[in-house]
Amino acid sequence: AQKVTQTQTSISVVEKTTVTMDCVYETRDSSYFLFWYKQTASGEIVFLIRQDSYKKENATVGHYSLNFQKPKSSIGLIITATQIEDSAVYFCAMREGLQGGRALIFGTGTTVSVSP
Amino acid sequence: EAAVTQSPRSKVAVTGGKVTLSCHQTNNHDYMYWYRQDTGHGLRLIHYSYVADSTEKGDIPDGYKASRPSQENFSLILELASLSQTAVYFCASNQFSGNTLYFGEGSRLIVV
Repeated sequence: AQKVTQTQTSISVVEKTTVTMDCVYETRDSSYFLFWYKQTASGEIVFLIRQDSYKKENATVGHYSLNFQKPKSSIGLIITATQIEDSAVYFCAMREGLQGGRALIFGTGTTVSVSP
Repeated sequence: EAAVTQSPRSKVAVTGGKVTLSCHQTNNHDYMYWYRQDTGHGLRLIHYSYVADSTEKGDIPDGYKASRPSQENFSLILELASLSQTAVYFCASNQFSGNTLYFGEGSRLIVV
C-alpha cells in the first residue's frame, strides 16, 4: 500500500534563508506523481509544485524547488529566500499510477515558522 | 481558477445526530474527494468519486457515507455522529488528466 511520511513536525528559520523539508514515500507502482501543498494560517490549502516520477529533472516553481531522489523514495521541498508569508504547514502527497480513479495520499505535514 | 465551495463552514452537532456536509465545484472536474484533517494526522481520505452516482471508499470510510448526485455536487454524510468525528473536513476536486487538487475552504465539525 502507498504511504507518505514526513518526519519533521516543525522547522524554524530566519527570513531570507533557505529551508529544506523531507518526505519519503512507499509505492509499488513504477509511475507515480508527487506533490507539495501549503496550508496557510487561514486554513486554505494550495498546490505548490509537482514531480512526475519518470522525469529526472527536479521541478522548480518560483522560489520552490524539489530534491527528487528516486532510489531513496525521497522528495524534499526546498524554499529559498524565505519570507514571513512562507510560514505555513507543508504537506507532501503522492498519487500512484497513470490510470484514473486514484486519489492523493498525504503526509502528516511539516510546520514552518519564518521569523524576521 | 478552480472554485470549490463547502457548506456549512462550521457546525456543532449532537452525538447520534445526522450531519451532512456539502461540496459544490464549478469547474467541470471529474473527480471529487473528502478528506479529514486532525492534528498530527495530516489529511486522510474518506471517500472519493470520479463519476456521478458512484463513490469509492478511501482510507478511513467507517462511519461515513458519500453521495455524488451530479458532477458538481459531492456530499459527506455522518448518519450517527460520534465524538471521534470532530475534525476539519476538506472537499477537493480535480480533472482526470490534471492531477492538481483544488481544495474547498474546509468545514469545521464539532460533535458534542
